[in-house]
Amino acid sequence: DIGMTQTPLSLPVALGQSASISCRSSQSLVHRDGNTYLSWLQQRPGQPPRLLIYKVSDRFSGVPDRFSGSGAGTDFTLKISRVEAEDVGVYYCMQATELRTFGQGTKLEIE
Amino acid sequence: EVQLVESGGGLVQPGGSLRLSCAASGFTFSAHAMNWVRQAPGKGLEWISYIVGSGTVTHYPDSAKGRFTISRDNAKDSVYLEIHNLRADDTAVYYCARDADRNFYIDIWGKGTAVTVSS
Repeated sequence: DIGMTQTPLSLPVALGQSASISCRSSQSLVHRDGNTYLSWLQQRPGQPPRLLIYKVSDRFSGVPDRFSGSGAGTDFTLKISRVEAEDVGVYYCMQATELRTFGQGTKLEIE
Repeated sequence: EVQLVESGGGLVQPGGSLRLSCAASGFTFSAHAMNWVRQAPGKGLEWISYIVGSGTVTHYPDSAKGRFTISRDNAKDSVYLEIHNLRADDTAVYYCARDADRNFYIDIWGKGTAVTVSS
C-alpha cells in the first residue's frame, strides 16, 4: 500500500501571507500511463471535501489561482498565496495511482 | 447540476448490517467509477471502496476487505455500500465520491450520511 505523509499537521498563517503544505508518498506516484495522480482537497468546517488540484498541478474548475500545486515522483507541495479567511479548514493530499490513499490532513488556521 | 446524495445512515447496533445508497444526477453515471470514503468524528479521510463504471471491477483497502461490499445499479444511477458486522469504530460520516471521467482522481463529493454504531 502507498503511504502518504503530510507536513505540517497544523499551519497557522496570517491573512494575506502564503502557506505551503508538503505531501510525501512512500513510492513513486507515476502511473503506468505516464500521469501522476496526486490531488489536493480542501475541507472547510462542517463541509464535505472539495477538489482543488488534480494531477499534481491542474486547478479544478472554479478554484482560485491563489492555489497551486507542484512536485514529482514522491514529493509534492500545495501553495496558497495571499491566504484569506475562507481558506480555513483541513487540506488533504490524495494519491490515486494505486488504489487510493489520503494524507493525514493539515489544519490551516488564521493567526 | 452534478449531484451525489447519500442516504441510509443512522444508529445501528454492534454486529448489525447496513446498506448505504448514493443517488447520482446531472451526469452520465455509467461513465464514471465511484468511491466510498469515510471520516470518523474528528479524524481524517479514509478511502474504503471503488467500483468501475460497468460494475465489473471493485477494489478495497485491506482494512475494508470482508465486511464492506460496493455495488452499483446503472439503471437507477445509484451506488451502494453494504457493511456487515458493524463495530463502534465504523462510526463515521460516509461520503460517496465520483472519479473524473477516464481519470484517476475524485472530482465530486456528496454531503455524506452519518453512521453511528452503538448499543
